[in-house]
Amino acid sequence: DGGITQSPKYLFRKEGQNVTLSCEQNLNHDAMYWYRQDPGQGLRLIYYSQIVNDFQKGDIAEGYSVSREKKESFPLTVTSAQKNPTAFYLCASDRGPGTDTQYFGPGTRLTVL
Amino acid sequence: DQQVKQNSPSLSVQEGRISILNCDYTNSMFDYFLWYKKYPAEGPTFLISISSIKDKNEDGRFTVFLNKSAKHLSLHIVPSQPGDSAVYFCAASVLGNTPLVFGKGTRLSVIA
Repeated sequence: DGGITQSPKYLFRKEGQNVTLSCEQNLNHDAMYWYRQDPGQGLRLIYYSQIVNDFQKGDIAEGYSVSREKKESFPLTVTSAQKNPTAFYLCASDRGPGTDTQYFGPGTRLTVL
Repeated sequence: DQQVKQNSPSLSVQEGRISILNCDYTNSMFDYFLWYKKYPAEGPTFLISISSIKDKNEDGRFTVFLNKSAKHLSLHIVPSQPGDSAVYFCAASVLGNTPLVFGKGTRLSVIA
């Protein structure tokens, strides 16, 4: 079964702690993306990567970091510098920016207490 | 500055009737448009797309219309079913160039 997996589904952390969200895809897609969804805000792009070992900031990259050491994996770290980290985080992938349909994972709900 | 706008946060439609969801964009370079459907606590799923060389694309109950001169697209769902109740996102990009830009979504409620 081809697809995108995100784990865990729900994540709780104390304020001030860094936390890493996992995203794995077996679609052989070159590009991967991280979005954040807040109520009434739609999907906002945090970071994206078009190729291994390269990534670009999206619209709201402050307080986040990413790595792309493998084509299949694009983990997102929410750092203590992110002022409002509680949100629903979505990972997506496609063959490249603007090439065709983008596919999404099931999401991770992060709650910072 | 929002490049993709969905001005109606919510829409209620009776089962069996037509649902029309609207989307406006400001960037005239956009040439590829998509609609996604999203249930709570799940990732969005792709519904239908259209490139700027067309003005209409159909897939079953779903039809997307594109009016390039007005920078407007719409999604028609006929007939609407209770399972269509979800948030619908419009997205746009410049093919081969930019990541998708999403609107804020419209919550559709189909009432039985």
